[in-house]
Formats: sequence, C-alpha cells, structure tokens
Amino acid sequence: RKEVEQDPGPFNVPEGATVAFNCTYSNSASQSFFWYRQDCRKEPKLLMSVYSSGNEDGRFTAQLNRASQYISLLIRDSKLSDSATYLCVVNGRDSSYKLIFGSGTRLLVRP
Amino acid sequence: NAGVTQTPKFRVLKTGQSMTLLCAQDMNHEYMYWYRQDPGMGLRLIHYSVGEGTTAKGEVPDGYNVSRLKKQNFLLGLESAAPSQTSVYFCASTQQGAGQETQYFGPGTRLLVL
Repeated sequence: RKEVEQDPGPFNVPEGATVAFNCTYSNSASQSFFWYRQDCRKEPKLLMSVYSSGNEDGRFTAQLNRASQYISLLIRDSKLSDSATYLCVVNGRDSSYKLIFGSGTRLLVRP
Repeated sequence: NAGVTQTPKFRVLKTGQSMTLLCAQDMNHEYMYWYRQDPGMGLRLIHYSVGEGTTAKGEVPDGYNVSRLKKQNFLLGLESAAPSQTSVYFCASTQQGAGQETQYFGPGTRLLVL
C-alpha cells in the first residue's frame, strides 16, 4: 500500500465548477500536510498547508481529518488556469523533514 | 535571489556513461533533497542531506551517489547510467523548524538514457 494515495483522475470540469480532491495517508504519526500544484513539465510548488482546523485561501479550502487519515482540497469557481496536477503531501516520521508525495490528481478545466 | 537552480536542464546519455547533476540554492537552507519523477509514480526520494558534509539514502538510492561539500550545493551522480534511470530529476531545499517544511523545488533535469 502506498503511504499517500490519491485518485489520479483526470477530473474534467467546466469553468466555474466546484471540484474536490481527496487523499489518504497511512502513517498516523505524520505531523504536517500540504497540497502542492504541478503544471505540465514544471516543478511542484506549494499551494497550501493543511491544518486540523481547516483553512481557506481564496477559492481553495483544505481540510484534514486525523482520525480517518484523510485530506481534502476543494476548489470553487474553477478557472482555466487551475488546470494542473495536484499533489497531496505529508511529512515523514523523523527530523529530516522528508516529504512523502502522492502520485497526484490531474485537473482539466474546460471553457 | 534565484531560489533553487539545476544544471543541466536536459541530457541524453548512453548506457554506461556517467554524469553529475548540480543543484544550487541561495536561501541558506540546511536541508536538500534529490527526487525522481516517473509517469504515474509521483516523486520518489533518492538521497537527501541535513547539512553540509552529510548525506543519507532515501527511498530509491541504488545507482546514485551524492555529495554536499558546500551548504549551497548538492550533487547527484550517476556512475553507470541505465535506461531505468530515464526520468525527470528534481532537487529541493527547505528550512529547519517545525511548520517550516515547505520544500522549494528547482526546475528539474530531464534525463534520457539510451
């Protein structure tokens, strides 16, 4: 079983739609959680950190459920520019700050 | 402030050839990492370093060596390239401290081994 699992998609949605991505992680000792965005043939970039209380950044909302070991990302009012691959990421168990990446969920926003 | 840079951007090797990938960061980060990314596999950690002069193995270290002689540089070496090492290689760095694990990535090196 992978340490971080995501639905690979692709999710194909029209502009203006709301879309949700889910992710599960296997290590209950994980402390930090993130969503990264990766555009085609580019490097991953941090989209947002995920906190237990949930957090919002504009059209993006991230939620964490530690009991279920489940992370979500909600994108409201999708834009064409949101088309990318979204990577769910959790930290490792030691002090080396290693991150464990999911294989990503691809989003295509159509006009 | 260039962030994280990688050299070269693209390279074609023949099986058995060697090469070194260079990663440089100007953010004074202690921690540096080398990943490879293959289709459908996500990023997998090859080697990492928690400070100048230190290196450690990640998830997929076989066939690679690394060195961190200077804090700002992290080198990844392939002594005898194999077609299975065809991939996109990303370098990343991060600050210390809980809650500061954001990793900053370089633009990647695309390697094709024939």
